[in-house]
Amino acid sequence: DIQMTQSPSFLSASVGDRVTLSCKASQNINKYLAWYQQKLGEAPKLLIYNANSLQTGIPSRFSGSGSGTDFTLTISSLQPEDVATYFCLQHNSWPLTFGSGTKLEIK
Amino acid sequence: EVQLVESGGGLVQPGRSLKLSCAASGFTFSNYYMAWVRQAPKKGLEWVATISTSGSRTYYPDSVKGRFTISRDNAKSSLYLQMNSLKSEDTATYYCARHDNSGVPFDYWGQGVMVTVSS
Repeated sequence: DIQMTQSPSFLSASVGDRVTLSCKASQNINKYLAWYQQKLGEAPKLLIYNANSLQTGIPSRFSGSGSGTDFTLTISSLQPEDVATYFCLQHNSWPLTFGSGTKLEIK
Repeated sequence: EVQLVESGGGLVQPGRSLKLSCAASGFTFSNYYMAWVRQAPKKGLEWVATISTSGSRTYYPDSVKGRFTISRDNAKSSLYLQMNSLKSEDTATYYCARHDNSGVPFDYWGQGVMVTVSS
């Protein structure tokens, strides 16, 4: 199975900051990486798919990059409503596997 | 508007069975792969099962293979998860989710249903 490692586990940043979250795969997953945002008490929401494609309706301050084994989710200017846990998911091969998440807080 | 509404959760004893349902609306259900994803309390997400449009192909991780069965009824726009031989580690919120038509997993999610396995 492909292991997905997210870092950091916890991140505290100020409103307006540029924030970068990392996700590393244990083997090559090409571009098949998605990012999800989960706010407290809610179901996850798809933000980014195929590493860098923005899902419809998601603010443009969110962007994704990477390929192969190293991927990044960037929030260009952190907003209070971005407080959430962010998960990555590889869908290159079965079984689909998630990272353990990065919890993002406002400082 | 795409809607996925799960039902059937609850408290069940270890070793027993439970069947979850997911009612879909707002899209042509028969055109999409569907899936179940779970989340143990205060833990991360775990993919549980995926089913093809016709139901002829199913996919599971080793953690549930042989115990869980995903199925669908396209005439009723409904997805199911039959869970047998339940263990305490199956305690989680179970989400119904859709794969989009280009293969991107989980573009829409239900609100989730809680399953507690305990004696």
